[in-house]
Amino acid sequence: DIQMTQSPSNLSASVGDRVTITCRASESVGKWLAWYQQKPGQAPNLLIYKASYLQSGVPSRFSGSGSGTEFTLTITSLQPDDFATYYCQQYESFRSFGQGTKVEI
Amino acid sequence: QVQLVQSGAELKKPGASVRLSCEASGYTFNAYVLHWVRQAPGQRLECMGWINPASGKTRYSEKFQARVTITRDTSANLVYMELSSLTSEDTALYYCARAPTISGVVNLGYFDNWGQGTLVAVSS
Repeated sequence: DIQMTQSPSNLSASVGDRVTITCRASESVGKWLAWYQQKPGQAPNLLIYKASYLQSGVPSRFSGSGSGTEFTLTITSLQPDDFATYYCQQYESFRSFGQGTKVEI
Repeated sequence: QVQLVQSGAELKKPGASVRLSCEASGYTFNAYVLHWVRQAPGQRLECMGWINPASGKTRYSEKFQARVTITRDTSANLVYMELSSLTSEDTALYYCARAPTISGVVNLGYFDNWGQGTLVAVSS
């Protein structure tokens, strides 16, 4: 099984900050990686797929990069609506998720 | 609009089975693969398996292979997930999630729409 590890697990930030979350895979997943945002009491919401493709309707302040075993999600200017938990997910081999990164004030 | 509407919360005793449903609407049912993903308290999201509604083909996580069955009813745009031999460790929020495909065959593997989740509690 491919293990996904995110860092940090918790992140304190302020509105307007640039935020970067890292996701590392235990083996190469190519570009088969997605990022999701989850708010309390809600299902996850797709932000990025294929490592860097922005899902329709997602604000352009979100971007993804990376390939192989290391990936990043960047939020260029954090907005109040962005305080949430973020997950990476690989889909190169079956499916597996990172443990999540909680972005809070 | 795309909707995945899941069945209601369940309370089960250890050793029992549970069957959850997910009703799809707002898109061509056979054009997307439907997955089941669970989120136990304090645990990461976990993919249990999926079904291609067009072919009925399924694939299950090795972890759940012996206990999970995913089926579909194409006449009603419904997908079901049955999990047997429940223990307290199966207490979780269970989601159905839609994955795009290429021509209804190649599962692209990421989830562009999710159901609202169904809480399953296992307790004696």
